[in-house]
Amino acid sequence: DAKTTQPNSMESNEEEPVHLPCNHSTISGTDYIHWYRQLPSQGPEYVIHGLTSNVNNRMASLAIAEDRKSSTLILHRATLRDAAVYYCILSSSRGFKTIFGAGTRLFVKA
Amino acid sequence: DAGVTQSPTHLIKTRGQQVTLRCSPKSGHDTVSWYQQALGQGPQFIFQYYEEEERQRGNFPDRFSGHQFPNYSSELNVNALLLGDSALYLCASSPVTQGARRNTEAFFGQGTRLTVV
Repeated sequence: DAKTTQPNSMESNEEEPVHLPCNHSTISGTDYIHWYRQLPSQGPEYVIHGLTSNVNNRMASLAIAEDRKSSTLILHRATLRDAAVYYCILSSSRGFKTIFGAGTRLFVKA
Repeated sequence: DAGVTQSPTHLIKTRGQQVTLRCSPKSGHDTVSWYQQALGQGPQFIFQYYEEEERQRGNFPDRFSGHQFPNYSSELNVNALLLGDSALYLCASSPVTQGARRNTEAFFGQGTRLTVV
C-alpha cells in the first residue's frame, strides 16, 4: 500500500498562513489525496481532498504537485482552533481503506 | 443530523474477555469503516462494511470481527482481549455516491475508548 510522509510537527503564528507538506512518492494513478485533522479527544475531521488539480474549500486549499508525488495543505490564516494533528491520506484505488500515517501536529501561537 | 454516533464512549474490560462496540452512521450513509487508534498514533484501518458485507480488511487478526445491519449501523467485536487492544476505536461513515465511493469524505464518530486490564 502507498504511504505518506509528513513532518512530525510544525509551528505557526496566529493569523499567518500555514503550509503543511506531504510526500506520497508511491501514489498510484487513481489514488485520491485526502486531508483530515484531529483535535484533542475527538475523531478525525475531513478537511479537503483532490486528485490532480488544486482544490479550495471553506477550510483550506490543497496544492498538488504536477507529478502527484507531493501535496501541500494550506491554511490561509491559522487560528488557535486549527491546532490539531493533520493527516495526509491516500484513498486506495483497489478498495476503500484509508491509510493514516503519524500525521503532523500543528502548534499555533497567539 | 446527529452525525456518526458510537457507543459506549468508554469501557474497561479484562484480558480474555469479549467486547462489542456499536456505530450508527450519519444519515444517508451506507458505508461504515472501523479504525483502531493507539495513544499517540494515527488511526489504523480494521475493516469496512457496506451492503452488510465486509469489503476490505486491514492487517488485524480474526479476533476482530464485525457486522453491518440493514439500517447500516455496525458492530465491532473483539474476542480474547489482549492488553495491546487498549485503544480508541473509531467508526467512520461515507455517503452514497454512485461510482465514486472510495473518493468521498468520511465522517468520524468521537470513538470508544477501550481499556483492557
